[in-house]
Amino acid sequence: ILNVEQSPQSLHVQEGDSTNFTCSFPSSNFYALHWYRWETAKSPEALFVMTLNGDEKKKGRISATLNTKEGYSYLYIKGSQPEDSATYLCALIYNFNKFYFGSGTKLNVKP
Amino acid sequence: KAGVTQTPRYLIKTRGQQVTLSCSPISGHRSVSWYQQTPGQGLQFLFEYFSETQRNKGNFPGRFSGRQFSNSRSEMNVSTLELGDSALYLCASTPPGGVADTQYFGPGTRLTVL
Repeated sequence: ILNVEQSPQSLHVQEGDSTNFTCSFPSSNFYALHWYRWETAKSPEALFVMTLNGDEKKKGRISATLNTKEGYSYLYIKGSQPEDSATYLCALIYNFNKFYFGSGTKLNVKP
Repeated sequence: KAGVTQTPRYLIKTRGQQVTLSCSPISGHRSVSWYQQTPGQGLQFLFEYFSETQRNKGNFPGRFSGRQFSNSRSEMNVSTLELGDSALYLCASTPPGGVADTQYFGPGTRLTVL
């Protein structure tokens, strides 16, 4: 069983704050790291797929970086908005389509 | 394109019973994965099917089984239900192509075991 750890477990920020969370994993060969956003009462939605050391992805106010050598990925949200409130999941894919998910970081953005 | 659908959305069963959950992937997707989520836990991988064959399996007891049909629809079966099987069960489909592509999730089936 591969251990994918996410921190913090939960986060409360004010609207306009910038924030970041961490996904830590064993730094061995893997196919990809995925970030998903899971809003309450909805299905998880993909944010980023990252494969290479040093990868940086950006979508609007959200960006992510990947360090495969030290085994971590950061997700950043700039200027958080209430609609960013969700659980953010990271997943590592080591075997062919076998996903190992972290337990997520639950973000609450207060207006 | 229609998304991933799961039926039923909610289910209440009693201990000892068995249950079958269904997942219809996005048209053209041939890989279907199943996950269990319990309070405080992340998504736990159950198994993955591709072209009617189980390609990957997680660390769950043999009471959890699945299958995939020729139209890529998948079913998951849990026999001899236990209280601890109460969870949200999600399925996800993956488009054909490279390894480790984005998964598209269904809305889930909420199973309650009494």
